[in-house]
Amino acid sequence: EPEVTQTPSHQVTQMGQEVILRCVPISNHLYFYWYRQILGQKVEFLVSFYNNEISEKSEIFDDQFSVERPDGSNFTLKIRSTKLEDSAMYFCASSEEVGNTIYFGEGSWLTVV
Amino acid sequence: GESVGLHLPTLSVQEGDNSIINCAYSNSASDYFIWYKQESGKGPQFIIDIRSNMDKRQGQRVTVLLNKTVKHLSLQIAATQPGDSAVYFCAENIYENAGNMLTFGGGTRLMVKP
Repeated sequence: EPEVTQTPSHQVTQMGQEVILRCVPISNHLYFYWYRQILGQKVEFLVSFYNNEISEKSEIFDDQFSVERPDGSNFTLKIRSTKLEDSAMYFCASSEEVGNTIYFGEGSWLTVV
Repeated sequence: GESVGLHLPTLSVQEGDNSIINCAYSNSASDYFIWYKQESGKGPQFIIDIRSNMDKRQGQRVTVLLNKTVKHLSLQIAATQPGDSAVYFCAENIYENAGNMLTFGGGTRLMVKP
C-alpha cells in the first residue's frame, strides 16, 4: 500500500540551527501538508501546498518556516532558526484532491536543545 | 501561561465488547469528517470518513455516525481487539480555496483489556 515516508525519524538540534525535514508524499497525490504535534497535545495544522505554492497556512507557520518541493518527489519543511518550542513531532501528509482522504507519514521527531 | 499537556479522556473496554468514542466538533460549516487512530510514536492512521450529506457510514468493524444538529460525531468499533488500543482523533475539514486543512479534536485513549 502506498505510504507517505519521512526522514529523519528523529533529529536533535541546537537552538538557532536550521533544520530541514523531508517527506516523500504518495506518488499520485497533488496536495501536501505539514502538521505538528507537541508532546501530549493535539495535532496542529501548519501548511498546505498545491501546484508549487502554499494554499493555506496557520498562525504557527511564521517566517521561520518554509516549504519547498525541490523535485518531483520530495516535499520539505525548513525551520530557519529553531527555538526550544519547536520541539515536536512533525507529520507530513498528502491527498489526491481537496476533500479526499489525507494520509499521514510516521513523523519526524524534532528535539531542540 | 504555562503549557499543559492534554489530558486525554480514556475509554477502557473488555476485549470483544463494542466501543463508542465520541467527538464534538466546532464549526457548523465543516463538511468532511475523519477518524484517525494514533499509536504511540506513530502518525495518524486513517480509519473512516464521512461527508456532511450522510449521517452514517460503515467500514470493516467500524461505523461513524454524524449528527449535524448537535455537531456530534461518533466512532463505533465492533468486537474491540487489543490491537485497537490507541488514541483516536476526530478531525473536521472545511473546503476553502484550494486548501484542505484538518482541525483535530483532543483525542480519546482507548484501552482494551484482554
